Amino acid sequence: DAGVTQSPTHLIKTRGQQVTLRCSPKSGHDTVSWYQQALGQGPQFIFQYYEEEERQRGNFPDRFSGHQFPNYSSELNVNALLLGDSALYLCASSLAGRKYSNQPQHFGDGTRLSIL
Amino acid sequence: AQRVTQPEKLLSVFKGAPVELKCNYSYSGSPELFWYVQYSRQRLQLLLRHISRESIKGFTADLNKGETSFHLKKPFAQEEDSAMYYCALTSNSGGSNYKLTFGKGTLLTVNP
Repeated sequence: DAGVTQSPTHLIKTRGQQVTLRCSPKSGHDTVSWYQQALGQGPQFIFQYYEEEERQRGNFPDRFSGHQFPNYSSELNVNALLLGDSALYLCASSLAGRKYSNQPQHFGDGTRLSIL
Repeated sequence: AQRVTQPEKLLSVFKGAPVELKCNYSYSGSPELFWYVQYSRQRLQLLLRHISRESIKGFTADLNKGETSFHLKKPFAQEEDSAMYYCALTSNSGGSNYKLTFGKGTLLTVNP
């Protein structure tokens, strides 16, 4: 099991552009969360998807949007990129449901996004 | 609002010495606390969670609700413990996966 996989590993964009990042969860997991990790900071929660719907959202503007597909994979889209969006974007997967109370989240390697 | 504070950005100890990584939290409800670790060139991975009350790789952490702390301890540090450590918090409402709130992390270096 490869665990959580993210693509691409690195990406360079310019201000104003749009970007799509992809995540495949760990086999058997149905919930995907996205985090932004700026340099020298801990990961910051963006949003979480379960059953193809956004279940929770952190303090991020509407420029950040996402999607979850029937196979549980997920995309993170960021529009109108700003210099401040430069960060490592982490995807984490887990298993939801009442009997899986707060199952640990498994993280991918991340996508390093640089905005010029 | 929930917040996690790790007061030490860097911590350096010698091999065999005890190590304690501090974590304080702020949360109005019933929290669940985790320690995540990131070794060099590896992904973020779970080290331990307070509800498991396990000892992983010799590390332990006790949730102190009175002091709102969840410090990570190991009696004898090893060189392979050198890594970035993150304390994280989520709601302990049960039955659901809620967002993790992370601290800024502590870089532990264990010198030979």
